[in-house]
Amino acid sequence: QQPVQSPQAVILREGEDAVINCSSSKALYSVHWYRQKHGEAPIFLMILLKGGEQKGHDKISASFNEKKQQSSLYLTASQLSYSGTYFCGTQDRGSTLGRLYFGRGTQLTVWP
Amino acid sequence: DAGVIQSPRHEVTEMGQEVTLRCKPISGHNSLFWYRQTMMRGLELLIYFNNNVPIDDSGMPEDRFSAKMPNASFSTLKIQPSEPRDSAVYFCASSPPDSYSNQPQHFGDGTRLSIL
Repeated sequence: QQPVQSPQAVILREGEDAVINCSSSKALYSVHWYRQKHGEAPIFLMILLKGGEQKGHDKISASFNEKKQQSSLYLTASQLSYSGTYFCGTQDRGSTLGRLYFGRGTQLTVWP
Repeated sequence: DAGVIQSPRHEVTEMGQEVTLRCKPISGHNSLFWYRQTMMRGLELLIYFNNNVPIDDSGMPEDRFSAKMPNASFSTLKIQPSEPRDSAVYFCASSPPDSYSNQPQHFGDGTRLSIL
């Protein structure tokens, strides 16, 4: 039930774009995205609830393909502040409501 | 507004000792989650409560772990006896009322636990 994230790590220069993928073997009800900086708590980014839904704020957006049981996080024109580990959390259809399974994370490093 | 408050921030203790981690959720939130984070296993849900009632404790590793939520503003996670493999960062998170999956989870700063 733990979703699979790819890639495991990404290194970028400021201004470059990145895509992080999250894939589940289970039918999904929702996908949550969080960012965690070293030694800090995960911080909520966004939730996607409906198949095909796309959300975003600033230059970070995400999509949810319910049929493929996948979500992708898009970071455009990356900034130094985007560095951190990105986690997707999935809620499986049929599992207890509220229970999230988190992926292993994607470590993003942005260099000046 | 105060966020989720966890204590202690760091705990170092010897194997066999009892460890109690504490959490105060955000006021008005009615769902509370305990997670454990390690390099090997990532972020795992241990247990979560809704309206002070345990909903899913299937992630609790074994009988040495127990969790309580005596009221809406306080929860504890206890390990007795502790073992070195329990060393991890333990996070508490809370979320506002609504259907469980529609709300973000707000995480505390975590307790870094080391069992020697």
